[in-house]
Amino acid sequence: GAGVSQTPSNKVTEKGKYVELRCDPISGHTALYWYRQSLGQGPEFLIYFQGTGAADDSGLPNDRFFAVRPEGSVSTLKIQRTERGDSAVYLCASSWGEGSYNEQFFGPGTRLTVL
Amino acid sequence: ILNVEQSPQSLHVQEGDSTNFTCSFPSSNFYALHWYRWETAKSPEALFVMTLNGDEKKKGRISATLNTKEGYSYLYIKGSQPEDSATYLCAFSNTGGFKTIFGAGTRLFVKA
Repeated sequence: GAGVSQTPSNKVTEKGKYVELRCDPISGHTALYWYRQSLGQGPEFLIYFQGTGAADDSGLPNDRFFAVRPEGSVSTLKIQRTERGDSAVYLCASSWGEGSYNEQFFGPGTRLTVL
Repeated sequence: ILNVEQSPQSLHVQEGDSTNFTCSFPSSNFYALHWYRWETAKSPEALFVMTLNGDEKKKGRISATLNTKEGYSYLYIKGSQPEDSATYLCAFSNTGGFKTIFGAGTRLFVKA
């Protein structure tokens, strides 16, 4: 079956611009995670959705970052007034059920470059 | 602050060598420990999820152990092959939250 997909695969933008990153989870997965990965680091947790609601958004670095999942499937990560420090690979993962003991299935990521 | 440490940072071995890596995590309020393999240009792929102290999991030539009381997990690869070359990530979560904290990974290079 289809895995987790993310679009775009690459995004280059200018400092100060607004960007949206999209994640299509595996059909039927109720849990969805967003992570950010910088060079030489592991994925950094941003936000976790269970269904339509953000159950834990404690990893969002500041109020320029926002994520939605209005119908409990596709999710969009939104970054306002982008800064050069936002450049990273943004990963999305989905899993069955609640609880972080479930295996997470990752998408290929979106590489964001802020010039 | 929850911190997950992995060692070594990178490892170069010859084909056929057996090897192991360490993941250290907070021992209090443990909930789950994950191991992932991340090959270049691919998505991270789950290897194991472990929840109980003393858990041992095995998949082919790869196995993992878990000690929640002292806060560490080992990943073992027996008879390394070039296709095992990848970054191996561990991730920890504690009770009461859904956050998954990843280590920086161990980068394994297996030379033929």
